[in-house]
Amino acid sequence: DAGVTQSPTHLIKTRGQQVTLRCSPKSGHDTVSWYQQALGQGPQFIFQYYEEEERQRGNFPDRFSGHQFPNYSSELNVNALLLGDSALYLCASSLARHGNTEAFFGQGTRLTVV
Amino acid sequence: RKEVEQDPGPFNVPEGATVAFNCTYSNSASQSFFWYRQDCRKEPKLLMSVYSSGNEDGRFTAQLNRASQYISLLIRDSKLSDSATYLCVVNADTGFQKLVFGTGTRLLVSP
Repeated sequence: DAGVTQSPTHLIKTRGQQVTLRCSPKSGHDTVSWYQQALGQGPQFIFQYYEEEERQRGNFPDRFSGHQFPNYSSELNVNALLLGDSALYLCASSLARHGNTEAFFGQGTRLTVV
Repeated sequence: RKEVEQDPGPFNVPEGATVAFNCTYSNSASQSFFWYRQDCRKEPKLLMSVYSSGNEDGRFTAQLNRASQYISLLIRDSKLSDSATYLCVVNADTGFQKLVFGTGTRLLVSP
């Protein structure tokens, strides 16, 4: 049973560029959430996708956008990258009808903006 | 004020010691509570859920005090392999899973 997979694992981008990160949820899961984890901090909620729609969003600017595909996989896009966007980006999958049960995390994409 | 607050540590303890971590949360509407473990440069993994009645899993015991909005984790007989960052996590939403993480408490267990 494949867990949550994310790609790429590492990425280096230049300020002002755009980046797309990808996530495939755990088999059988239909909900994908994205988190940003800066060094020395806990993960912070960016947004969540269910049924191909963004259904909840954290305190992140519009430069952060996403998408969910019919197969439940998801992308996170960040435009006009800033140095402060350097972080570990984590994808978590869960099953919508099991609201408060475990979220499974992918290994993350480590983004460095230079 | 942060939604979930933890002492960042580090907590340095010898093998076999008992160590306790505490966490407070600000949103009284929070519905579910967890402790996650995160190893260096890895993803967080669920350690245990936390219930008002308290729950135990081997050497780990978690407690929740809703009146005080306080969550605790007790680790008995610490092992070297327990060295990690422990994240206190709260889900404030009943319908969705929007997890709010503390900054984490770093534990270092030495021989």
